[in-house]
Amino acid sequence: GIQVEQSPPDLILQEGANSTLRCNFSDSVNNLQWFHQNPWGQLINLFYIPSGTKQNGRLSATTVATERYSLLYISSSQTTDSGVYFCAVELETSYDKVIFGPGTSLSVIP
Amino acid sequence: EPEVTQTPSHQVTQMGQEVILRCVPISNHLYFYWYRQILGQKVEFLVSFYNNEISEKSEIFDDQFSVERPDGSNFTLKIRSTKLEDSAMYFCASSITGARYEQYFGPGTRLTVT
Repeated sequence: GIQVEQSPPDLILQEGANSTLRCNFSDSVNNLQWFHQNPWGQLINLFYIPSGTKQNGRLSATTVATERYSLLYISSSQTTDSGVYFCAVELETSYDKVIFGPGTSLSVIP
Repeated sequence: EPEVTQTPSHQVTQMGQEVILRCVPISNHLYFYWYRQILGQKVEFLVSFYNNEISEKSEIFDDQFSVERPDGSNFTLKIRSTKLEDSAMYFCASSITGARYEQYFGPGTRLTVT
């Protein structure tokens, strides 16, 4: 079946640093979303990005569907960025079934 | 801004009991989903629902699970006979036109089976 991998699994940053999180997927997908799970467990939509590049404040994301990866950039990190970042994909071969990656756990320290 | 809501936020039940988790999707959305997340693990897809039918389900979604849209606003997940391993956070999500488009998640219901 499809594999969704994320790297790195864990990341510790000093406040103000930049980082890049990666999501690789092993098969063709129709959709990709990035989520932030905050320390209270809520899943917050960051980007709906099946292809191309989007920016929202200090965050931006790029998906290259033909090469089966997506990147999430966090610039000038803040302590409130801490939590787990998930990418989630919808299979091209199985409409409406979404698979989450294992997540990157980010800790931003002051 | 419209949002997906879920009740209760936390449910404690005894093994073997039935539980119903409730969700109110965003009002103009047509596709509905349930996911679960065992503590410390990744989010797992359970089921998608459209036009009063299940459109996709995972291997986890066995006969003890069922979903229903009993009226025009609620979407429920029923677990018939809970097991200890059903303890998890359960998330509801909705989408205007399917998983091909953006899904919006509720805050989750934490289910604890004792």
